Amino acid sequence: DAGITQSPRYKITETGRQVTLMCHQTWSHSYMFWYRQDLGHGLRLIYYSAAADITDKGEVPDGYVVSRSKTENFPLTLESATRSQTSVYFCASSVSTPRQVADTQYFGPGTRLTVL
Amino acid sequence: SQKIEQNSEALNIQEGKTATLTCNYTNYSPAYLQWYRQDPGRGPVFLLLIRENEKEKRKERLKVTFDTTLKQSLFHITASQPADSATYLCALDIFNQAGTALIFGKGTTLSVSS
Repeated sequence: DAGITQSPRYKITETGRQVTLMCHQTWSHSYMFWYRQDLGHGLRLIYYSAAADITDKGEVPDGYVVSRSKTENFPLTLESATRSQTSVYFCASSVSTPRQVADTQYFGPGTRLTVL
Repeated sequence: SQKIEQNSEALNIQEGKTATLTCNYTNYSPAYLQWYRQDPGRGPVFLLLIRENEKEKRKERLKVTFDTTLKQSLFHITASQPADSATYLCALDIFNQAGTALIFGKGTTLSVSS
């Protein structure tokens, strides 16, 4: 049972380049999320998706693009990478979260991205 | 906008003692609050969830309380062990047209010494 995987685990790129971080889950969870984690800021939500073709912005969406054509995949693209996007990126999924029926999130192992 | 704060960046305690971590929030009335554990180099792992109509929740040596009047949750680890050393994150739900997501506090790093 692979669960939720992220690739690559480590990435070094240069300013201005386009970078895509991949996230794949095998549970058929409806919801998927992207976070970045930085010292002093904690985990911050970038984008999330309630289902295929349904996405919404989180706290820090600027400079990022997401898509969700298939339930199991939720790629995150940095269209033109900047040094401020150097961070650890976590993908997560959950079964479904209608507001009154809470569900937990399952996190991937993270991708450490360095933008030079 | 919603704001969630964990009052200590770091907490150091001795083995066997009870660790108490605090999570405060403002400008929101969450339906529930969750606690996660994160070890270095790994993603967070869910520990406990407590709903707005619940005062207390327990799981083995863990206990969470939720005071919606004070807008505060307390997370307790009793009989702490060195293996409990980790960063603990609280999170509350946010809801909009696309559904529900979580926002996280910055975390409290707990160190338990033997």
